[in-house]
Amino acid sequence: EVQLVQSGAEVKKPGESLTISCKGSGYSFTAYWISWVRQMPGKGLEWMGRIDPSDSYTNYSPSFQGHVTISADESISTAYLQWSSLKASDTAMYYCARRDTSSGSAFDYWGQGTLVTVSS
Amino acid sequence: DIQMTQSPSSLSASVGDRVTITCRASQSISTYLNWYQQKPGKAPKLLIYAASSLQSGVPSRFSGSGSGTDFTLTISSLQPEDFATYFCQQSYTTPRTFGQGTKVEIK
Repeated sequence: EVQLVQSGAEVKKPGESLTISCKGSGYSFTAYWISWVRQMPGKGLEWMGRIDPSDSYTNYSPSFQGHVTISADESISTAYLQWSSLKASDTAMYYCARRDTSSGSAFDYWGQGTLVTVSS
Repeated sequence: DIQMTQSPSSLSASVGDRVTITCRASQSISTYLNWYQQKPGKAPKLLIYAASSLQSGVPSRFSGSGSGTDFTLTISSLQPEDFATYFCQQSYTTPRTFGQGTKVEIK
C-alpha cells in the first residue's frame, strides 16, 4: 500500500527554523517526484515546489523560491521541507504529494498534512 | 503562471441532484487538468486526471470533460458523502496551479 506519512504538528516562534518530513512507503521512492503544497487557514491549495528523489533536482514556485528549501534522502525514502526563518504568515497546513506520470502528472497520493503554527 | 478560475465558488444542492463545476485556464493546457475533492481536516483526494480519466476507486458518478481552456467536473447524482470542496489543478507546466475551490453544501 502506497503511503506518505508526514511528521507531526509544530508550534514555532517567528525567526525560528523548522524542517518537516514526508516518508514514502509501498513504492519505489526514487521513481516519483514529491511536491509540497501549502494550505493557509480557510484557503485554497498552493504549489510550493517539487523534488526528484533520484537526483535531488528541485524546482520551486516563484512565490516560494528563496523562502523554503526542499530536499530528500533516498536512503530513508523521505522528503523534507525546510525554513531557516519562519514568519507568522507561514502558519498553514503543509501537504506532500506524489506525482504520477501515468496519471497525467496528477498528485495521486497525499500525506496527511503537517500543521505549522508560527506565533510569538 | 497559468491562472485557474473555478465557478461557482460555492453551491447548495440536494442529494440526488446533478452538479456541474467549471474550471477555466488562462491559456491552453491541452488535457493536463486534474480534479480533487477535499473534506474538512483531510488531505485532497484525486478524482479525475487528464481531464476525463477516473482515478481508480472513484465512483462512476464523477466525470470530467474538456480540453484547451475550459473544463467541467460533473457529479451525476449527488450523494451525502460528496459534500466537500473541489479543486481543479493544471499539470501542464510549473508552477502547478490550482483553482480557488468550489464548496458543495447541503441545500
